[in-house]
Amino acid sequence: LAKTTQPISMDSYEGQEVNITCSHNNIATNDYITWYQQFPSQGPRFIIQGYKTKVTNEVASLFIPADRKSSTLSLPRVSLSDTAVYYCLVGEGDQGGKLIFGQGTELSVKP
Amino acid sequence: NAGVTQTPKFQVLKTGQSMTLQCAQDMNHEYMSWYRQDPGMGLRLIHYSVGAGITDQGEVPNGYNVSRSTTEDFPLRLLSAAPSQTSVYFCASSYVGRRQETQYFGPGTRLLVL
Repeated sequence: LAKTTQPISMDSYEGQEVNITCSHNNIATNDYITWYQQFPSQGPRFIIQGYKTKVTNEVASLFIPADRKSSTLSLPRVSLSDTAVYYCLVGEGDQGGKLIFGQGTELSVKP
Repeated sequence: NAGVTQTPKFQVLKTGQSMTLQCAQDMNHEYMSWYRQDPGMGLRLIHYSVGAGITDQGEVPNGYNVSRSTTEDFPLRLLSAAPSQTSVYFCASSYVGRRQETQYFGPGTRLLVL
């Protein structure tokens, strides 16, 4: 079962780029890396997913090194509305979908 | 599409009472799951299902039962509620396959057990 390790919390200021790194040393060959965002009193929301190298969408970028033992979620020019908890998941895609959430990283964006 | 819906939004129970938390999705997703989230904590997987008639246990299954008679519905039953089950419960669904990690979550049910 692939486990993930993330910083418990991070602080940033509006307009800055924020990078959140996740460690997943036991990632399996078929696993994808997925990041979710959760606001208070809401369910998690999918942000981005990748397998290797770099993935970019309108919200964020995901950087994955060649060994895939870690990944970095990059949020460009954060705003106050990006204050949330961010979860990194490594999916057991070939074992029936048993996804385990870690503690997540609580990002606080200040004015 | 309504996506993933959950009812009720909030419920208060007394210790020993039973109830069913409802979850439905209209996206024809094979995979559905239940999580609980305690204050200041991450989500913990209770039970999940990869299709109608198939269910399996997650990290914290004790005290909860599930069934999956249709693709659309995945109810979570508490047979005898305990204060330790006070939590926010989230239901999620996705397709089965390599991309199944992209899950869609419902708005949650807040449960208070006195």
